[in-house]
Amino acid sequence: RKEVEQDPGPFNVPEGATVAFNCTYSNSASQSFFWYRQDCRKEPKLLMSVYSSGNEDGRFTAQLNRASQYISLLIRDSKLSDSATYLCVVEHGNKLVFGAGTILRVKS
Amino acid sequence: DAGVIQSPRHEVTEMGQEVTLRCKPISGHNSLFWYRQTMMRGLELLIYFNNNVPIDDSGMPEDRFSAKMPNASFSTLKIQPSEPRDSAVYFCASSLDPGGSLYNSPLHFGNGTRLTVT
Repeated sequence: RKEVEQDPGPFNVPEGATVAFNCTYSNSASQSFFWYRQDCRKEPKLLMSVYSSGNEDGRFTAQLNRASQYISLLIRDSKLSDSATYLCVVEHGNKLVFGAGTILRVKS
Repeated sequence: DAGVIQSPRHEVTEMGQEVTLRCKPISGHNSLFWYRQTMMRGLELLIYFNNNVPIDDSGMPEDRFSAKMPNASFSTLKIQPSEPRDSAVYFCASSLDPGGSLYNSPLHFGNGTRLTVT
């Protein structure tokens, strides 16, 4: 079983739609969680950290469920510029383990 | 402010040749990471350094791979001899590690080196 699992997608959504991505992780000792974004042929960049109580940054909301070892990312009012691959990232033992990513395509 | 700088951006080489990838981390960052990304396996951590010392190289695939960090501003990843299955994008990333947790210290990635071994 992979340490971090994501639905690869692609998720094809119209502009303005709300879309949610899920991610599960296998190591219950993992301590910190993040979402990174990667544009085509570019490097990954931090989108947001994921706090235990859930957190919001503009149109983006991240949630963590430690009991189920599950992380989610919700994007409201999708923009064309949101099209990218979203990487779920889990820290364990001072290392970041990346999921394979979920592809989002927002269409006009 | 310069980000993480990697060179070369692209490398095409023949099987059996030595390949050296270079990385300059962000000034002041004391943790450096080498990742490899392929379609099949995604982003894999190869090795990481803290204060120029290799901390975990368990992700290095085999003895053909070696990495060094002679000083705080430079690291190399060497593959000798290279094989077609080494073809991938190799990313270097750095972070300011305040003492053990990456939580408040995000990784900053370089643009990557796209390696093709024929």
